Formats: sequence, C-alpha cells, structure tokens
Amino acid sequence: DGGITQSPKYLFRKEGQNVTLSCEQNLNHDAMYWYRQDPGQGLRLIYYSQIVNDFQKGDIAEGYSVSREKKESFPLTVTSAQKNPTAFYLCASTLRERGAVTDTQYFGPGTRLTVL
Amino acid sequence: QKEVEQNSGPLSVPEGAIASLNCTYSDRGSQSFFWYRQYSGKSPELIMFIYSNGDKEDGRFTAQLNKASQYVSLLIRDSQPSDSATYLCAVRSNYQLIWGAGTKLIIKP
Repeated sequence: DGGITQSPKYLFRKEGQNVTLSCEQNLNHDAMYWYRQDPGQGLRLIYYSQIVNDFQKGDIAEGYSVSREKKESFPLTVTSAQKNPTAFYLCASTLRERGAVTDTQYFGPGTRLTVL
Repeated sequence: QKEVEQNSGPLSVPEGAIASLNCTYSDRGSQSFFWYRQYSGKSPELIMFIYSNGDKEDGRFTAQLNKASQYVSLLIRDSQPSDSATYLCAVRSNYQLIWGAGTKLIIKP
C-alpha cells in the first residue's frame, strides 16, 4: 500500500528537550511538507522540501529543523527553542512542488505533541 | 499577505439537506482550489479540487468556482451524519497552498 506514515502518534516532551518526528512516504513524491495545526486554526507551514538535500523555511520555521537525506524521509526536530510546541503536526507530500496545478497534497496521520 | 477566509461555524444542517460551505481568497492569481475534510483528531483528506470557473461534480459533492468574485464553494447533497467534520479550503497560489481555518459542519439526524 502506498502512503505516508508518521510516528509516533502521540509524543510527550519535557521542557528543554529536543524531539524528532518521523515522516516516511512510499509514493515516490518529490516534495514533502511539515505543517502545524492548532485548535481552531488552519494549517501553518513549517518547512518544505522539493528534492533531496534541499529544504526551505515556511511561515513558522523558528524553533524547528529538518533534514532530507532520502527521498522517502523528511524528519522534523522540534528544538527547545520552540517555546509553544504543543500542537498537531502533519506531514504531507506531493508529486512535484512546482508541478501541475492539480497536483494534490496527501497527508500522513499526524503526530500530537504535548509539552509536559 | 495572501489570505483564505472561511466561516468557522459550526454550520448545522438537517440530515438529507444540502450543506453549503464557502471560501474566499485574496490572491487573484490563484491557480487551483482544494477542499479537504478533517475528522476530529485525524488528518485532512482530499474531497476534490477545481481550477476552472463553474461547477465540478463528484458524487454528492459539487465544487463551484467564481474567479471574478474570488469565491469557491462546496455543496454536499443528501447530507449524512458521517459528513459531520471540519472542511478545509486550500488555495494554490504561486506553488504554495494557502489554507483557510476550516468550517465545522454538523449534520443533525
């Protein structure tokens, strides 16, 4: 089955800790994205990557870091510099970042991060 | 700043009726428009997209686009309790997806 997996489903972080959220896709998509969703708000873009070994900051990149060493994987690290990290984190992918206007973003199941 | 606006709701609709969800956007150069459904605690799933003016139908769902008015809507016919969810509008603008905050839809049996 093709799709996007995220792990863990739930994650608890103590203040001052860095944590890494996993995102893997087997859709052979070039582009991958990380979003943050807070209650009652739309999706906010954290980082995105069009190709391996390249990524760009989104609207709210401060306190986060990413890597794209393999096409299939785009992990997100939430660092201690992120002051309010409690949120629902969504990973998405699309065939090409600058592809057809109808190219669709598909989402993984999400990771819910809570700061203790 | 590019914006996508949706009424947050909740929008309450009787079972079997038509639910109408609306979305406006600020960037006239926007190229395509997507509707996603998100159940509580779950990730968004694509319902349909539209990129030409007019209507596009897929089963019980119809998307309507009016680029002159910068307005896109989603109609759900014969609404079912399983349609109760938050509906997110996303607008593709210069290779980015700009997201609305979503409209919560409640279908009353």
